[in-house]
Amino acid sequence: DAMVIQNPRYQVTQFGKPVTLSCSQTLNHNVMYWYQQKSSQAPKLLFHYYDKDFNNEADTPDNFQSRRPNTSFCFLDIRSPGLGDAAMYLCATSRRGLPQETQYFGPGTRLLVL
Amino acid sequence: GESVGLHLPTLSVQEGDNSIINCAYSNSASDYFIWYKQESGKGPQFIIDIRSNMDKRQGQRVTVLLNKTVKHLSLQIAATQPGDSAVYFCAEKLVFGTGTRLLVSP
Repeated sequence: DAMVIQNPRYQVTQFGKPVTLSCSQTLNHNVMYWYQQKSSQAPKLLFHYYDKDFNNEADTPDNFQSRRPNTSFCFLDIRSPGLGDAAMYLCATSRRGLPQETQYFGPGTRLLVL
Repeated sequence: GESVGLHLPTLSVQEGDNSIINCAYSNSASDYFIWYKQESGKGPQFIIDIRSNMDKRQGQRVTVLLNKTVKHLSLQIAATQPGDSAVYFCAEKLVFGTGTRLLVSP
C-alpha cells in the first residue's frame, strides 16, 4: 500500500545534540510537510516542500531545518534540541499542495530530549 | 491572524448515540475546512472536508455542517462506536484547531 513512513517511531536525544528525523513516501506526491505536535495540542506546521521549493512558516524557530534530497524523502533536522522541543513530529504529503487537497499523515516520531 | 478553535475538550457518549463535535473559526474568508481523526500513537486521518460554497456534506456515518454566518462548523457522527474514540480536529487548510477527545463507552 502507498503510504507515508516515519523512522524512527521514537527518538531520544540529549539536550543540545543534533538530531535528524526521517520521512519517506511511496505516494509520489509533490508536497511534503513537517508538523510539530506537543502533548494534548494540535499539530502546528513548521514548513513544507513543494518539489524542491522550501516554504518556512514565519514562526518556525531557526533551530529547525529541513532537507528534501528527492521526491520520496524529507528530513527534519533539529540543530540544538532544547527541552521544549520534545514533541511528536508528523510528516504529511499532498499531491500538488492545492489548498483544497487531502493531506496524508505518517504515524509520527516522538522525540524525547534528556 | 487565523484561529480555529473547538468548544469542548472532551465529549463522552454511549455506544450507539450520535455525537456532535463543534468548531469555531475566526477568518470569514476561510473557504476550506477539514475534519481529522487522530487515534492514540497515530497521525491524523482525514475524515471529511467541506468547502465554503456548501452548508452540508455527508459521508459514511459522518456529516459536516458549515454555518458561515456565525463561523461555525460541526462534525456529526451517527451511531457512535467504540472505534470512534479518538481526538478530533477541525482544520482550516493547514491550520489545526485545538482538538476534542471523544470517549465512547460500551
